[in-house]
Amino acid sequence: DAGVIQSPRHEVTEMGQEVTLRCKPISGHDYLFWYRQTMMRGLELLIYFNNNVPIDDSGMPEDRFSAKMPNASFSTLKIQPSEPRDSAVYFCASSDQGSWLAKNIQYFGAGTRLSVL
Amino acid sequence: DAKTTQPNSMESNEEEPVHLPCNHSTISGTDYIHWYRQLPSQGPEYVIHGLTSNVNNRMASLAIAEDRKSSTLILHRATLRDAAVYYCILRDPLAGNNRKLIWGLGTSLAVNP
Repeated sequence: DAGVIQSPRHEVTEMGQEVTLRCKPISGHDYLFWYRQTMMRGLELLIYFNNNVPIDDSGMPEDRFSAKMPNASFSTLKIQPSEPRDSAVYFCASSDQGSWLAKNIQYFGAGTRLSVL
Repeated sequence: DAKTTQPNSMESNEEEPVHLPCNHSTISGTDYIHWYRQLPSQGPEYVIHGLTSNVNNRMASLAIAEDRKSSTLILHRATLRDAAVYYCILRDPLAGNNRKLIWGLGTSLAVNP
């Protein structure tokens, strides 16, 4: 398996623009997680899905952020409108029920580095 | 979730053993201890986990104190590729449908050639 695939790897945009980050989880995994990482706050969980259904979105900063998972192989994280304080590295991770119960292993993508000017 | 405490940074020399400590004094009886690491410009990756007994795998060893209030990740021979941020995380697999992992700031390990 190719692992968790995120695109784009880098995104530079101007304040006020819409940004869409994409994630393809590992095939067969039924949990998908979106994280944000900054130097000041470390790794923060934004939202996670189970079987394409959002379970906990309490980490989503505000209404400008939204996430969808239309099918088991694709998820998006959208920021509209974007602001400079959204600049961070955004990670997607996936896990399967067996791994979770047995080991709690989450498999991470390489991340998207977002810069909002 | 119970909290973990790790040193902000540590330094080691190549080919020497490294002991990365983690304190978790409020750990519950069903919490597993997990370690992940994050190499530069990459996402975190799983290293090892354990409950009560010491554990070994190809990447590292995990030594768990008898009272489980602390643990140590052991890299037997550090290489330059082991330079990363190491995270110690507690998780109760029986905690309902809450699948969150609570990440601290971890320990940044530098390896000198």
